Amino acid sequence: DTGVSQDPRHKITKRGQNVTFRCDPISEHNRLYWYRQTLGQGPEFLTYFQNEAQLEKSRLLSDRFSAERPKGSFSTLEIQRTEQGDSAMYLCASSFSRGMNTEAFFGQGTRLTVV
Amino acid sequence: AQSVTQLDSHVSVSEGTPVLLRCNYSSSYSPSLFWYVQHPNKGLQLLLKYTSAATLVKGINGFEAEFKKSETSFHLTKPSAHMSDAAEYFCVVSHTKGDTGRRALTFGSGTRLQVQP
Repeated sequence: DTGVSQDPRHKITKRGQNVTFRCDPISEHNRLYWYRQTLGQGPEFLTYFQNEAQLEKSRLLSDRFSAERPKGSFSTLEIQRTEQGDSAMYLCASSFSRGMNTEAFFGQGTRLTVV
Repeated sequence: AQSVTQLDSHVSVSEGTPVLLRCNYSSSYSPSLFWYVQHPNKGLQLLLKYTSAATLVKGINGFEAEFKKSETSFHLTKPSAHMSDAAEYFCVVSHTKGDTGRRALTFGSGTRLQVQP
């Protein structure tokens, strides 16, 4: 499978614990995005990388959230001191920067439940 | 600024009957518009996209959408629903940010399509 892959698919954690999610984009894609999707809503933008540079962060990304993309390949999203409000589906997407209207390909997401 | 309104949170149709999922958008830019589908426990899959070429856009699985600038609409249609079409559908408006190059996607809240046998 050469699509965007995310790991783990599901994570249940206790409030206050730290969690880390991984995203492997399509190999030739230099742009990577993280989104959060809560029940009954569309995905909301969290952060954006072009190669290894994190170029944009949403106001939704509190100080407890950090994302990295070392070497411009895979990316990790860490949430520290999780809260129940962090329960959501975390989606990763990647795209190629050439051309004006390049499609974003989404992974299957990591569903986080904070208990 | 841009926004998307999906007019129906749930749509139920019978198998073999037409599907209409409604979407209105607002954008300060010349927008690109997309429809994505999300099946349970699956990622978002692109159905079709409008990028200022033909106003009637054909997508995968028999879906199509018509861009109507005067009505700021981009409704999704399919002549005949299939059981496998049951899923969540998202209308998305997009523009490219000049400072970072990010493709800024704004999603609607989704329409859940049920297909009855």
